[in-house]
Amino acid sequence: QLQLQESGPGLVTPWETLSLTCTVSGDSMSTNNYFWGWIRQPPGKGLEWIGSISYTGKTNYNPSLSGRVTISADTPSNQFSLKLSSATAADTAIYYCAGRRPYNHYDPWGQGTLVIVSS
Amino acid sequence: IQLTQSPSSQSASVGDRVTITCRASQGVASYLAWYQQKPGKVPKLLISGISTPQPGVPGRFRGSSSGTDFTLTINNLQPEDVATYYCQQIYGFPLTFGGGTKVEI
Repeated sequence: QLQLQESGPGLVTPWETLSLTCTVSGDSMSTNNYFWGWIRQPPGKGLEWIGSISYTGKTNYNPSLSGRVTISADTPSNQFSLKLSSATAADTAIYYCAGRRPYNHYDPWGQGTLVIVSS
Repeated sequence: IQLTQSPSSQSASVGDRVTITCRASQGVASYLAWYQQKPGKVPKLLISGISTPQPGVPGRFRGSSSGTDFTLTINNLQPEDVATYYCQQIYGFPLTFGGGTKVEI
């Protein structure tokens, strides 16, 4: 059974880079044809898709984040990562990693990790 | 592709039928899903492909569509259905979610 777990700092200084890692267990990223994504949810608000990386390494990002996003994969380590540069208080949110098969929706999701951007 | 959900919140009684609508700004074929997020929990995929329930989802949850309008219907509302429901499209990038509908009892 595929499981995902986010990790990374819970507190980020404004204008620094927010960095998170998602560790995949239960299957190998090098053999399953999944799209790996990041989704965030500001406190008390809705879900926002940040971006994703495919099993071929192709990335897609949400233009609303103005080019601040980089998603990469370390397939041998069964991990993928998110970097969001120039973080501000508006980036404070619960960050979820999730996986989906081609033509399918996100399932499973990680448990989510709260990241606060504050000095 | 914008997804507009309505209503943003709804209060109903146990046993009621609840209807949530998601309107897409353009066609998304069958690439529309519904997620359920209970308070303090991770979103859970409820229905995919407009109307296909995930394993274990009670039969009272039904998805349907008419053109670019998509509907999630909860029949015989139960206390455990208290949650926020989101629609999502994967037809085109950037992937988008609806704003959510909070269902209360």
